[in-house]
Amino acid sequence: DVKVTQSSRYLVKRTGEKVFLECVQDMDHENMFWYRQDPGLGLRLIYFSYDVKMKEKGDIPEGYSVSREKKERFSLILESASTNQTSMYLCASSRGTSGGAGDTQYFGPGTRLTVL
Amino acid sequence: AQSVTQPDIHITVSEGASLELRCNYSYGATPYLFWYVQSPGQGLQLLLKYFSGDTLVQGIKGFEAEFKRSQSSFNLRKPSVHWSDAAEYFCAVVGRDSSYKLIFGSGTRLLVRP
Repeated sequence: DVKVTQSSRYLVKRTGEKVFLECVQDMDHENMFWYRQDPGLGLRLIYFSYDVKMKEKGDIPEGYSVSREKKERFSLILESASTNQTSMYLCASSRGTSGGAGDTQYFGPGTRLTVL
Repeated sequence: AQSVTQPDIHITVSEGASLELRCNYSYGATPYLFWYVQSPGQGLQLLLKYFSGDTLVQGIKGFEAEFKRSQSSFNLRKPSVHWSDAAEYFCAVVGRDSSYKLIFGSGTRLLVRP
């Protein structure tokens, strides 16, 4: 079974802090994703990475950056956390073969971040 | 613009009753279609997906979904709901043009009455 793990289930930070959310997958997947989940809005893509050191902006990249130095690990960085970044953050990964658009995305359990 | 609509925010059914969750999409061409489930405090789990072929798709946990091109719909069904099905359900689409970007609906929360 694919396993996607996230470093924290719950996180509380103060406004202006730098925040790192870590995600690790154990299935040698090429693609990794960071989503934000808010009530009534579903999931919105922040960034995705299709290879080590490669990334693309999603729908809501403002205020976020990402890092992928190793294939299995994808980090989401909030450079200066703000209260409107309080949310549930979900990481996902997918195989990334040539038929990639239809690949199943496997999700981690999520990190609920509260910014005070 | 591409979008996915789940018109029901909440649905309540009695245990043992049948279930249908609605999903409509707006997309230039027939996309790949997915249903995910999120149990409380958990990540999302894939229930089923449609790529091509038979428009009735079988998934895990006894769920099925039917793709109707003429209605741009991909509704999820289950003939008999169990209390453990209480969760939030998300419909999602992705284009066949090699874009990896899943577009999610806003979700439908299912409550199950004993």
